Amino acid sequence: DIQMTQSPSSVSASVGDRVTITCRASQGISTWLAWYQQKPGKAPKLLIYTASTLQNGVPSRFSGSGSGTDFTLTISNLQPEDFATYYCQRAQTWPIAFGQGTRLEIK
Amino acid sequence: EVQLVESGGGLVQPGGSLRLSCAASGFTVYSTYMNWVRQAPGKGLEWVSVLFSAGSTFYAESVKGRFTISRDNSKNMLYLQMNSLRTEDTAVYYCARYYGESGQTPGAFDIWGQGTMVTVSS
Repeated sequence: DIQMTQSPSSVSASVGDRVTITCRASQGISTWLAWYQQKPGKAPKLLIYTASTLQNGVPSRFSGSGSGTDFTLTISNLQPEDFATYYCQRAQTWPIAFGQGTRLEIK
Repeated sequence: EVQLVESGGGLVQPGGSLRLSCAASGFTVYSTYMNWVRQAPGKGLEWVSVLFSAGSTFYAESVKGRFTISRDNSKNMLYLQMNSLRTEDTAVYYCARYYGESGQTPGAFDIWGQGTMVTVSS
């Protein structure tokens, strides 16, 4: 199975900062990668699919890039509502795999 | 409105059984790939099972042989029958809609339920 390694596991930042989260696949997955945001006690919310396509309604300060084995989620101009946990997810082949998560905290 | 609502969670003893339900609205469960994803307390997301639109199924190794995913097209419902439960199955269970490569959000879970908590403990 193709494993996903996400880093860092946690990051501290301030409102207005730019943050980058990385996800690495153990084998090439083309652009079959999605990103989610999860707030405490809530279900995950889809942000980006196929590595760089923004889901409807997601603010443009969120962006994704990468292909093959290395992917990034970038959040520009951090807003208070962005402090949450973020997960990457490998698609296309089963079993589906998620990264371990990155907790974005307020500095 | 497109929505998923889970029910059926609760406290069960190790070795016991539980059936989770997921009511879909705004779309039909048989037209997409429907999944269960779980999250143990304080942990990350773990994919559990999928029911493809054609009717075939796939399971995570951790639940294979113990869990069964099914659907009722007439009721637009998804189910997860969980047998031989273990303490490590304790988690919030989410049902989630997934689109394959030709779908509107290919390769991603675009709709999630609110989750239902399953606690396996004596």
